[in-house]
Amino acid sequence: NAGVTQTPKFQVLKTGQSMTLQCAQDMNHNSMYWYRQDPGMGLRLIYYSASEGTTDKGEVPNGYNVSRLNKREFSLRLESAAPSQTSVYFCASSESKGGARSPLHFGNGTRLTVT
Amino acid sequence: QQQVKQSPQSLIVQKGGISIINCAYENTAFDYFPWYQQFPGKGPALLIAIRPDVSEKKEGRFTISFNKSAKQFSLHIMDSQPGDSATYFCAASTKGGTGTASKLTFGTGTRLQVTL
Repeated sequence: NAGVTQTPKFQVLKTGQSMTLQCAQDMNHNSMYWYRQDPGMGLRLIYYSASEGTTDKGEVPNGYNVSRLNKREFSLRLESAAPSQTSVYFCASSESKGGARSPLHFGNGTRLTVT
Repeated sequence: QQQVKQSPQSLIVQKGGISIINCAYENTAFDYFPWYQQFPGKGPALLIAIRPDVSEKKEGRFTISFNKSAKQFSLHIMDSQPGDSATYFCAASTKGGTGTASKLTFGTGTRLQVTL
């Protein structure tokens, strides 16, 4: 049982380049999330999808876009990467439409460096 | 604006000792308080959670204490072991409305090191 799978594990971008972080879950969960983790700042919500077909902004959405491709997959796109987006990105999923009240299952993260 | 404040930032405890991590919140609409544990190179994983209708919840060596009037909650790890060395995050959420998802707000994390 793979759980939440994120690709790639590591990525280095130059300022202005674009890329898409991929996330897939095999637990038939309704809700999916993208968080970024920075030292001393904890985990901050970028975007989330309460259910297939819906997406909403979180705490720090600027510079990012998301796509809920189907129930399994939720991608995060950086259109024009900036050094401030250097971070570790985590995708998570949860079972119910009342999202965070059921446990979040996290992937192992994508470590992104923007030079 | 940090809605959940966590302390300390780092903690060193001897094997067999008690580890205590504290969190405080301002939003009185929060009604679900989980703790997540994260090992290096891994994503966080749910450790234990509490709702404000109880003052304490215990699972094995891990206990959450909750003080609703003070808007504080804490994690106690009894008989701390080297395998407990990890980063711990407290979090809080409100109940989402119909058709919406409620979202977790995380604290800034505590790096725990348990020494031999």
